[in-house]
Parts: sequence; structure tokens; C-alpha cells
Amino acid sequence: QSALTQPPSASGSPGQSVTISCTGTSSDVGSYNYVSWYQHHPGKAPKLMIYEVSKRPSGVPDRFSGSKSGNTASLTVSGLQAEDEADYYCSSYAGSNNVVFGGGTKLTVL
Amino acid sequence: QVQLVQSGAEVKKPGASVKVSCKASAYTFTIYYMHWVRQAPGQGLEWMGIINPTTGSATYAQKFQGRVTMTRDTSTTTVYMELSSLRSEDTAVYYCAKAQWVYDSSGPGDSWGQGTLVTVSS
Repeated sequence: QSALTQPPSASGSPGQSVTISCTGTSSDVGSYNYVSWYQHHPGKAPKLMIYEVSKRPSGVPDRFSGSKSGNTASLTVSGLQAEDEADYYCSSYAGSNNVVFGGGTKLTVL
Repeated sequence: QVQLVQSGAEVKKPGASVKVSCKASAYTFTIYYMHWVRQAPGQGLEWMGIINPTTGSATYAQKFQGRVTMTRDTSTTTVYMELSSLRSEDTAVYYCAKAQWVYDSSGPGDSWGQGTLVTVSS
């Protein structure tokens, strides 16, 4: 179970869009439409932003969107706002009740 | 609303064990799997395993197999995560996280505990 690969950092100016990638394998991301994205502010519990690749839980702004192609999933944040600055983690179901997380991406709003 | 309340911070010596609890409320405890996730200082989130509160059956990440045990007490709607043979690298914040859907093991959902800091130090 290797961690999914995310870029360590991403950035954008307020109002811009930024996309964070999450690359796995044919055993996890590529095999299941169970990719989730979490927003994590230091000292707080992670917050679910996207589940099942592209679905948003109630209360999550539609500025957040998810997609997947092959073994790579992506999170796009449109109309960047200062409060979007946080760490973002992807996770994927990997079969047999196993889950794997990405290494995390620090999003900076310039 | 759903609440997951974890036990307090722990300081342990290398080689010892720690048992973290996670009390669930405001939902039907037995039909939502519970995940455990940890974050070491300066590191990312790491999935440790999942427990089925109905059966008590658990699946552990390969990295922790042999060292971690997840259990539950349905009478108190509490799940537990015990980690043994602690080493300094186990210093981390440990979270419980409820699955998003009934009988779903695909990943943590939108309800997480507040986190429990476990410090391993001699």
C-alpha cells in the first residue's frame, strides 16, 4: 500500500483556479470511483470536501470540484479565497477494506 | 449532530502500549464503519485501519499489522485503537473518523473526532 502521489505545494491568487493532482495505481484510484478529498487546517480535524471522485457533501461550496482520469484524480478550487489556504489530502479505496491517502498538498493563496 | 469524542492526550515510553477511545453519539453506531487515521508532526495523514462495529471485525493497514488492535463496545458506542511496541515515530495525532455511508468502507466521511495526541518519549 504505497501512498498516493500529490504535489507538495500549489498556489494561486485570489479569484484564480488551482488544480491539485493525486496519482495512484490501477489497484486503487484506477479501479474504484471512491476518491475523496479532505481539507486540513492545522490543529483542526480534516474536513471532507469531495467524495466518490466528484460529489460534494452538503455545505461545501461549488467552487470545489473533483474529477478522475485513469489512475489520476484531481481537485480543482475555483475562485480562490483566503480561507481556502490549507493542506489538502486525497484518499482512495484500495480494495479489501483498505484505504490509502496521498502525501498532502499545501495550498497557498498568494 | 454526529459527535465523535476522543480520549485525552497520552505520553508513553518506547515499548509501551497506548489505547485511544472514540465515543460516538447521535447516530446508529453499529451500521457505520469507523476508520482510524494518524498524522505525525510535519507529516501527512496516514490510514491505520477500519472496524465494523456490528461484527467487531477489523482490517489494518499492512504497516501496522501485528501492532494495532481495533475494538468496539456497542453498549457504550465506543471504538478503541490500541497500538503496541510504541516507538518515537509513533508520536502523532490519532483521529477516529466515521464512514460516510452505511456499511461503507471506501473512506472516512465528514465526521471526525477531535484528535488525540500521543507522544512517545523516554
